[in-house]
Amino acid sequence: DAKTTQPPSMDCAEGRAANLPCNHSTISGNEYVYWYRQIHSQGPQYIIHGLKNNETNEMASLIITEDRKSSTLILPHATLRDTAVYYCIVRAFDRGSTLGRLYFGRGTQLTVWP
Amino acid sequence: NAGVTQTPKFRVLKTGQSMTLLCAQDMNHEYMYWYRQDPGMGLRLIHYSVGEGTTAKGEVPDGYNVSRLKKQNFLLGLESAAPSQTSVYFCASSYSPGQPETREAFFGQGTRLTVV
Repeated sequence: DAKTTQPPSMDCAEGRAANLPCNHSTISGNEYVYWYRQIHSQGPQYIIHGLKNNETNEMASLIITEDRKSSTLILPHATLRDTAVYYCIVRAFDRGSTLGRLYFGRGTQLTVWP
Repeated sequence: NAGVTQTPKFRVLKTGQSMTLLCAQDMNHEYMYWYRQDPGMGLRLIHYSVGEGTTAKGEVPDGYNVSRLKKQNFLLGLESAAPSQTSVYFCASSYSPGQPETREAFFGQGTRLTVV
């Protein structure tokens, strides 16, 4: 149960910002939002995560809506090397039956064009 | 620091053969995962483990068994391989005691398995 909905594909011009949306309308109060990406058929690579505040690191920014039902990953200046499948995941850290579960969905194929 | 290492990287099996995929991590992680990825699909969780000696089923556990006898290793077994198990298999690990549990998972580079 991936619990997230993402568009199957998006494209973006090189140098422009890429804004990738994710819907997680059933998110629980203790669930974090994570973003990973997968380039070609390599292992997924972590990008960023957050609970309710907006987050920024050297790779991207994560904007989470106030009701936490959706989020947007922003790559501020996309390059050709950012072409990848981007996965949005929600993850709980309680001590119940969902402890440790990390489910992926199908993700969004982002294509950055010159 | 090797991170997460998967062995082997490629394998071709005949239907009915058995094999074991090995995942090793050197980050003292408690949690380990096995995923499969089919063409055009995202990663689907097969089995996972939240500590040495414990395992749990994920989304698609049928046809696979796992063992976590040592903290650093997570083994995925196929007792009788079927063509439907042709896939790319990824292992991941996360959470070191003493570090925030919310830190990210790290993935291996995958094992490409073909069952003919």
